[in-house]
Amino acid sequence: QSALTQPASVSGSPGQSITISCTGTSSDVGGYNFVSWYQQHPGKAPQLMIYDVSNRPSGVSNRFSGSKSGNTASLTISGLQAEDEADYYCSSYTSSSTRVFGGGTKLSVL
Amino acid sequence: EVQLLESGGGLVQPGGSLRLSCAASGFTFSSYAMSWVRQAPSKGLEWVSSVSAGVSGAYYADSVKGRFTISRDNSKNTLYLQMNSLRAEDTAVYYCAKMGGSYYDSWGQGTLVTVSS
Repeated sequence: QSALTQPASVSGSPGQSITISCTGTSSDVGGYNFVSWYQQHPGKAPQLMIYDVSNRPSGVSNRFSGSKSGNTASLTISGLQAEDEADYYCSSYTSSSTRVFGGGTKLSVL
Repeated sequence: EVQLLESGGGLVQPGGSLRLSCAASGFTFSSYAMSWVRQAPSKGLEWVSSVSAGVSGAYYADSVKGRFTISRDNSKNTLYLQMNSLRAEDTAVYYCAKMGGSYYDSWGQGTLVTVSS
């Protein structure tokens, strides 16, 4: 049950777009379309942003989008806003019927 | 509105036990799988355990297997996590989460467990 690999940090200026990657294996990310993404502000509970690779829950801005290629999933945030500054985590279902998170990525909006 | 309220956290000595509870409301609890996810201080999220809607399946992270037991009481709309043989590395905020399929679509605010002598 190794954690998925995410960059520790990414940054961008307001209005720009950024992409956060999430790399796993064929036993998790690559094997299922069950990747989800979560946003967490300091001291708060995580919030679902993307589910099943590319689906957005009701109420989540369409500036957030998800995709997957092989063993790597990606979260793209377009039109960066100050409120997007937070930690982001990916998660995947695994072949062992367990679940795994990525190590998390800190997004800074400069 | 979905509400998940965790309780039962606190300070416990290494080797001790604790039982966390998560009171659910605002949805048909018995129809959804549920999970526990934890976050050590200044660290990332870690999946701990999940239980299916019908109580037929329970799954655990290797780090807690054999020490933690997840259960649910659908008559009380409550999820539990029995934690035994606690270690310092189990210190974390423990979140209860509702599963919307493969993902966690609602989260509680968390309860802090501190394992220390």
